[in-house]
Amino acid sequence: EDKVVQSPLSLVVHEGDTVTLNCSYEVTNFRSLLWYKQEKKAPTFLFMLTSSGIEKKSGRLSSILDKKELFSILNITATQTGDSAVYLCAGGTSYGKLTFGQGTILTVHP
Amino acid sequence: EAQVTQNPRYLITVTGKKLTVTCSQNMNHEYMSWYRQDPGLGLRQIYYSMNVEVTDKGDVPEGYKVSRKEKRNFPLILESPSPNQTSLYFCASSSNRFSSYEQYFGPGTRLTVT
Repeated sequence: EDKVVQSPLSLVVHEGDTVTLNCSYEVTNFRSLLWYKQEKKAPTFLFMLTSSGIEKKSGRLSSILDKKELFSILNITATQTGDSAVYLCAGGTSYGKLTFGQGTILTVHP
Repeated sequence: EAQVTQNPRYLITVTGKKLTVTCSQNMNHEYMSWYRQDPGLGLRQIYYSMNVEVTDKGDVPEGYKVSRKEKRNFPLILESPSPNQTSLYFCASSSNRFSSYEQYFGPGTRLTVT
C-alpha cells in the first residue's frame, strides 16, 4: 500500500520566520512528488519534482526531492500571514494513482 | 476561462438514496480524478481516469462508481450513500495522462448523508 507521511502536522510561526515542511513517501512505481497549498478552498499546485537534488523555486518557496532517501522538503523563507494554509504533498505513480499525505497546517502570526 | 466545475456544491441527502455528483472540465484534459477530504486524513483518491473509457480504483473506491464516456465529464455515483460517505469531494483534471503533472481542482462538493 502506498504511503505518504508529512511532518510536522501543524506549525505556528511569526512573520519573517523560515519554515521547513517534510514529506516522506513509499510509493510503488513512483514517478513524481507534488506539493499543493490549500487555503479555505480547493488545493492549488506549487511544485512537481521528478529528479533528485534539483531544487525548484518560486519566489520565497523552494522544494527538493531525495529519491534515494524517499523524502522531499518544502521551504518557505520570510513567511507572511498569507502563507497560512494547509500544505499537502503527494506521491504520483507512472500510471495515474496519486497518494496524498495528511497535510501540514501552517499558521503565520503577524 | 479554464476550469473544473462540480455540481452540486452542497448536498444533504438520506441513507440509500442514489446520487450523482457531476464533474466537467473545459481544458481538453485526458486525466481526471475524484478525491474525498476528511479532517485529519488529507485527500484520498477514490477513482481516476487516464482517458475515455479507462478508469481505475484509487485508495478508497468502496461505495462509489464512476464512468468516463466523454473526455470532459467524469461523474461520481453513489448508488446507496451511507453516513460514512459524508465528506468534502474534489474533482481534478490534468493535461497529461500521467497524474504526476499539475492537477486543476474543482471547487468541491460538500456532501452530508443522514
